[in-house]
Amino acid sequence: DAKTTQPNSMESNEEEPVHLPCNHSTISGTDYIHWYRQLPSQGPEYVIHGLTSNVNNRMASLAIAEDRKSSTLILHRATLRDAAVYYCILRAISNTGKLIFGQGTTLQVKP
Amino acid sequence: GAVVSQHPSRVICKSGTSVKIECRSLDFQATTMFWYRQFPKQSLMLMATSNEGSKATYEQGVEKDKFLINHASLTLSTLTVTSAHPEDSSFYICSASQLRDANTEAFFGQGTRLTVV
Repeated sequence: DAKTTQPNSMESNEEEPVHLPCNHSTISGTDYIHWYRQLPSQGPEYVIHGLTSNVNNRMASLAIAEDRKSSTLILHRATLRDAAVYYCILRAISNTGKLIFGQGTTLQVKP
Repeated sequence: GAVVSQHPSRVICKSGTSVKIECRSLDFQATTMFWYRQFPKQSLMLMATSNEGSKATYEQGVEKDKFLINHASLTLSTLTVTSAHPEDSSFYICSASQLRDANTEAFFGQGTRLTVV
C-alpha cells in the first residue's frame, strides 16, 4: 500500500473549521483515500473515504486534489470531542481489508 | 451501522499466564478480521490477518506461537497471548469489514488494554 504523509500535530479553536492535510504522492489510480480517527483509549473510528470526487458526510468533508496526490479532511466546526489522532490511509482495490497506519495527526482543540 | 465488539476491555494477568481476547462482528459476517497492537504514544501496528476456517497470516516479526489466532466462525476471532510477559503489555485492537472492498469502511473494536505484571 502506498505511503501517506501527515503533519504530526495541529491545533484548532473550538467552533472553527479545521483542515487536516495528507500527502500521498505515490497513490495509484485505484487506491481509495480513507480517514479514521482515534480518541484516547479507544479503537479507531471511520470518518470518511473517497476515490476522486470530494465527499461529504455528517462528520466531515474530504477534498481530493485533482491529481489525487493530496487530500484534506475538513471538520467544519471543531468541538472538544474532535480532539483525536487522525489517520489518512490509502486502501488498494486489491486490499483484503487490512489498513496500514502511519503516525497520523494529533489534533488539539482549544476551548 | 455495523459494530465490532471486543472483550474484555481491560485485563491484568500475571507473567507466564495466557490471556484470550475476543473480537465479534455483531451484525455482519466477517471472513477476515485483523489484529493490531498499539504501544503508548505510537500508532497501530498490524499483527496478523485472521481468516475464517484457515490459518492466520502473521506480519513479519510477529511470533505466531506466542499470539495464537482462531477464527472459528464468521463472527468471532480470538487472539490468545500465550506465556505473557510485561513487554506484551499493550493495547490490542481488532477490525473487520463487511466486504473485502476498498470502497468499504472498516470497523474497529473498542480495544483491550492488557497489563502483564
